[in-house]
Amino acid sequence: GDSVTQMEGPVTLSEEAFLTINCTYTATGYPSLFWYVQYPGEGLQLLLKATKADDKGSNKGFEATYRKETTSFHLEKGSVQVSDSAVYFCARRNSNDYKLSFGAGTTVTVRA
Amino acid sequence: DTAVSQTPKYLVTQMGNDKSIKCEQNLGHDTMYWYKQDSKKFLKIMFSYNNKELIINETVPNRFSPKSPDKAHLNLHINSLELGDSAVYFCASSPSGAEPFEKLFFGSGTQLSVL
Repeated sequence: GDSVTQMEGPVTLSEEAFLTINCTYTATGYPSLFWYVQYPGEGLQLLLKATKADDKGSNKGFEATYRKETTSFHLEKGSVQVSDSAVYFCARRNSNDYKLSFGAGTTVTVRA
Repeated sequence: DTAVSQTPKYLVTQMGNDKSIKCEQNLGHDTMYWYKQDSKKFLKIMFSYNNKELIINETVPNRFSPKSPDKAHLNLHINSLELGDSAVYFCASSPSGAEPFEKLFFGSGTQLSVL
């Protein structure tokens, strides 16, 4: 079935380092793709999204580009801060489906 | 004001007990969800209601029964709790209109521990 696979964590890096979290999807049709973020002690919140091929979603310095040819939606940030420490979830939704399906989450810890 | 609030935040109980988790949203959304997050952070949808009607029911034991008295509330009742039910349960809601079922607003979770 349709699924989302993201890189396993945990990921630990220093402040101002470059962050990449890989996400790939299997697809029938053209799903919408999302990144959600879960800060410690909180629920998930939408970080960014892209609804069609070559779209780039961006928010809070994070970016992800919908790559149909590689079925990927990798999350990147050029210079992370301690406040970016969180669990990041890749997600997808097919256009004919009510369901938003999440990947397994990647825990990111940024050290000062 | 909290947009999606769920209670209790922590729930510790014995195997075999029956418990409920309540969820309320004040965003005026039509759709509400329950998700289960296991110890490895994997998030899995359990149920979704749209305007009080069940629209998603993933393969969840029938010990779990959602109830939506109105579109602002979606409660989760669990009968005969088992050790494997220990997890964090998240309630969420989403608006209709331009971004249906996509932009979810989550509560802060209920950590259930079954002993």
